[in-house]
Amino acid sequence: ELKVEQNPLFLSMQEGKNYTIYCNYSTTSDRLYWYRQDPGKSLESLFVLLSNGAVKQEGRLMASLDTKARLSTLHITAAVHDLSATYFCAGQETSGSRLTFGEGTQLTVNP
Amino acid sequence: IAGITQAPTSQILAAGRRMTLRCTQDMRHNAMYWYRQDLGLGLRLIHYSNTAGTTGKGEVPDGYSVSRANTDDFPLTLASAVPSQTSVYFCASSDSPRTSSYNEQFFGPGTRLTVL
Repeated sequence: ELKVEQNPLFLSMQEGKNYTIYCNYSTTSDRLYWYRQDPGKSLESLFVLLSNGAVKQEGRLMASLDTKARLSTLHITAAVHDLSATYFCAGQETSGSRLTFGEGTQLTVNP
Repeated sequence: IAGITQAPTSQILAAGRRMTLRCTQDMRHNAMYWYRQDLGLGLRLIHYSNTAGTTGKGEVPDGYSVSRANTDDFPLTLASAVPSQTSVYFCASSDSPRTSSYNEQFFGPGTRLTVL
């Protein structure tokens, strides 16, 4: 059974700073996803990582995947207030389409 | 309709009552899912359907049932609601893994359910 753990669960950072959110998973995962959720809203897909060494970037966010270490990271560069949200990673087992989500990281970017 | 819709947006329900949450997608996705989201627990899968006519149990299926009569609709029924089913419910859909390398899940807007 796939288990996904994120850390930190809460992150408060200043604008302009850099930080990384970590996502560890327990067994072989076919794919790794990152989602963003604003308060009271639905989940928005950010990145889909399909293979070892995959790196994707969108604006100030960059996600990477190391399947050997069973680790994905979401790196935030020069944070801005608009990035304040909860970020979820989710793994997908090779045997099906179901996702297992981490607990989420609640990010607050302070001016 | 664009994407996934859910109804109702929110509902307050007396314990013991029956309730069906509706979910409709217009993307012709094969797979659909129901999650519940609770503070501190992230999203947990309730039931899923890989294709019309088939369903499967997720991590927390007890007290819930689903049906998948066609590709577009995937209703979730609480036969006799209990207060522990108070939560935000999200429906999602995706292509089958066999047809899409990404198999990205797209989420509906959610239903906020309170059981008293």
